[in-house]
Amino acid sequence: EADIYQTPRYLVIGTGKKITLECSQTMGHDKMYWYQQDPGMELHLIHYSYGVNSTEKGDLSSESTVSRIRTEHFPLTLESARPSHTSQYLCASSRGITNTGELFFGEGSRLTVL
Amino acid sequence: GDSVTQMEGPVTLSEEAFLTINCTYTATGYPSLFWYVQYPGEGLQLLLKATKADDKGSNKGFEATYRKETTSFHLEKGSVQVSDSAVYFCALSPGSNYQLIWGAGTKLIIKP
Repeated sequence: EADIYQTPRYLVIGTGKKITLECSQTMGHDKMYWYQQDPGMELHLIHYSYGVNSTEKGDLSSESTVSRIRTEHFPLTLESARPSHTSQYLCASSRGITNTGELFFGEGSRLTVL
Repeated sequence: GDSVTQMEGPVTLSEEAFLTINCTYTATGYPSLFWYVQYPGEGLQLLLKATKADDKGSNKGFEATYRKETTSFHLEKGSVQVSDSAVYFCALSPGSNYQLIWGAGTKLIIKP
């Protein structure tokens, strides 16, 4: 069982609100990722981090931002939510140097913006 | 660039049927290959993997063989159950410091 946790699991908010999706892992993994999953199920990498104070944008442009102040914590923030941000957000982590491509995923945060 | 192509879903089967979900890839070098599964309402979890040609990954009755000659990594199971209903993702990793490259996912529906 993976030790990576996302909160909240479900969130319904109004347009213009600021939201933060939390992601924490207890495995000591260096690499962490945020994926956006569209209704067609396809995964899009929106942010990743290779360690503390390292953050990069992924393949899909996103208005969200991330931070990595501690190894175990990788929150995602939307300053002003819009209906187009409605989606499922998945956080994942993996080992650093010895990574063979195996990712550990949280259960996801399903965001609905009204 | 590197890419992964999966068969489109949904795939609908009856319980105890034989399952094949096709996955082919394009890659330079020698990637590792993966199948991940996403059960309803959950995140993804690794189902099986293969790191070199002719390797066979297996788990929970599922199997996939890394075929370099056909650039394929098809997922198979001899007798599916209703509990196998999920979305299955094929992915490749070009190397240790590269991002995973994902297929589009295949939804599997098993009817009792």
